[in-house]
Amino acid sequence: DIQMTQSPSSLSASVGDRVTITCRASQSISSYLNWYQQKPGKAPKLLIYAASYLQSGVPSRFSGSGSGTDFTLTISSLQPEDSATYYCQQSYSSPQTFGGGTKVEIK
Amino acid sequence: EVQLVESGGVVVQPGESLRLSCEASGFTFDGFTFDDYPMHWVRQVPGKGLEWVSLISWDGDSTYYVDSVKGRFTISRDNSKNSLYLQMNSLKTEDSGLYFCAKENSGNSALDVWGQGTMVTVSS
Repeated sequence: DIQMTQSPSSLSASVGDRVTITCRASQSISSYLNWYQQKPGKAPKLLIYAASYLQSGVPSRFSGSGSGTDFTLTISSLQPEDSATYYCQQSYSSPQTFGGGTKVEIK
Repeated sequence: EVQLVESGGVVVQPGESLRLSCEASGFTFDGFTFDDYPMHWVRQVPGKGLEWVSLISWDGDSTYYVDSVKGRFTISRDNSKNSLYLQMNSLKTEDSGLYFCAKENSGNSALDVWGQGTMVTVSS
């Protein structure tokens, strides 16, 4: 099975800060990497698919990059509504797997 | 807009069985139908991370599972009813959690529509 390792597990940043979350796969997954945002009591929401494509309706301050084994999710200017937990997911092969999550808090 | 609604989550004892359902609606506006998409189940223990559970192809011919549920869970679908199912047998305490169904986006394999989840509690 492909293991997905996210870092950091949590972070605290100020409004307007640039935030970067990383996700590493235990083997190459090409660009089969998706990012989700989950707020408490809600279902996950797709932000980025295929490593770098912004899902329709998602603010442009979110971006993704990477291929192979190393990926990043960047929030260019953190907003209060971005307080949430973020997960990466590989859809390269089954069983598909999620990273452990990164909790983003606003200072 | 596509919507997914899960049901069937209850409190059961270890060893018992349960069937979860997920009903889809709102497909007709864009010309696509339920049977155009693979479907997934994902679970989450409250306060913990997401765990992918199972996938079924658009026609039901191909199914995939996480190792911890293989041989105990069965994913299925009824395209005539726009419905997805998860038959859960020999339940264990570690199967407890919120179970989400999710639609796979055709072409990029991401999960672009999620239900709100149904809670399964396995406890003696």
